[in-house]
Amino acid sequence: AQTVTQSQPEMSVQEAETVTLSCTYDTSESDYYLFWYKQPPSRQMILVIRQEAYKQQNATENRFSVNFQKAAKSFSLKISDSQLGDAAMYFCAYRGGIRNTPLVFGKGTRLSVIA
Amino acid sequence: GAVVSQHPSWVICKSGTSVKIECRSLDFQATTMFWYRQFPKQSLMLMATSNEGSKATYEQGVEKDKFLINHASLTLSTLTVTSAHPEDSSFYICSARDWGKVQPQHFGDGTRLSIL
Repeated sequence: AQTVTQSQPEMSVQEAETVTLSCTYDTSESDYYLFWYKQPPSRQMILVIRQEAYKQQNATENRFSVNFQKAAKSFSLKISDSQLGDAAMYFCAYRGGIRNTPLVFGKGTRLSVIA
Repeated sequence: GAVVSQHPSWVICKSGTSVKIECRSLDFQATTMFWYRQFPKQSLMLMATSNEGSKATYEQGVEKDKFLINHASLTLSTLTVTSAHPEDSSFYICSARDWGKVQPQHFGDGTRLSIL
């Protein structure tokens, strides 16, 4: 079974600084997708960024970028120019390539942004 | 973008009653929907996979007689918590994905269930 590990239960960053959240996963599949979701206090699940395993180029969405190391099975999220609104729980998630398979989530990292 | 509507957002009821939670895909067809449960300060735990027109697939440890799932149409799945007890109190979230494997999962806003 696939597993997702987030080893940092809590992280903090100064406003305008950069922070990196770690995620590793375990799988024997060759076709899969990786995601980072943000969950603010409202508990909405907001997609931050996604990466297809077959793509070598790291995904980027404005201030958010990933460092995808396929051989190491690592998928870290970098948040640049951190803003107060970035404070939330961040979940790393894995999904296999077979249609209609569910997301498997890590335990999450709570990010605090200090003004 | 794709929207998943979940209703109700918050429900409080007495122990022993049954509670139904609806999950609708508003602008796309979802042959598969997923139901998650989230305890405070924890991650999302998959409860079951809901397939349109067929029986749901439950994860190990999830009581299928306690958590009834019906997926009668391509846009609606329901989760019924039967004979609810205080230990069933939790945050329940549904999600759905549009056709095609590259699409991300879209989440409902969740239902906070409190059993007194």
